[in-house]
Amino acid sequence: AQSVAQPEDQVNVAEGNPLTVKCTYSVSGNPYLFWYVQYPNRGLQFLLKYITGDNLVKGSYGFEAEFNKSQTSFHLKKPSALVSDSALYFCAVRFTSGGSYIPTFGRGTSLIVHP
Amino acid sequence: EPEVTQTPSHQVTQMGQEVILRCVPISNHLYFYWYRQILGQKVEFLVSFYNNEISEKSEIFDDQFSVERPDGSNFTLKIRSTKLEDSAMYFCASRMGSHTEAFFGQGTRLTVV
Repeated sequence: AQSVAQPEDQVNVAEGNPLTVKCTYSVSGNPYLFWYVQYPNRGLQFLLKYITGDNLVKGSYGFEAEFNKSQTSFHLKKPSALVSDSALYFCAVRFTSGGSYIPTFGRGTSLIVHP
Repeated sequence: EPEVTQTPSHQVTQMGQEVILRCVPISNHLYFYWYRQILGQKVEFLVSFYNNEISEKSEIFDDQFSVERPDGSNFTLKIRSTKLEDSAMYFCASRMGSHTEAFFGQGTRLTVV
């Protein structure tokens, strides 16, 4: 069964500092990996995805994520955090064959960027 | 930019009543989903719909739930007899094809009293 874990409920970072939001997945095939962001009382907004190719993928608002197959991780990163990045971040995984095509979400990580 | 739209944004209903949550997916998308998020908890998959039929559903999606795509544009989720524990934010999503991401609507906050 596919699963995804976000080990941190909350990440605190000072504005201007780099940020990392962690995600690991359990694999029984080749994964498609996604990051979504949710602002208060809003829907899920797509940030970026890894399907195939370069392990480092770039997405919206200056975010990027690195696919690491050996560590089964897909951590979200940004070189310089903004206060406006404060939101709830969800990692999601979907398998490409031999498994469910349904995106499965992690529990979410609350990112708080302090001025 | 095309988007998934959901109505209403907030619905309050009495326990035991039927509710219908409405979604208009992006027009050229082929795969449709309903998810829910109980306050403060994870986003949970309910059901997926493709080619006019349910393709997969979770344990949450019991006989109280049904989905329909009545007219080629709307995608609805019906809860026949609501329970207090159905109170949650319900998200509709759609995607175009196998290599694409899902786009989510803004959600409908369902409150069962």
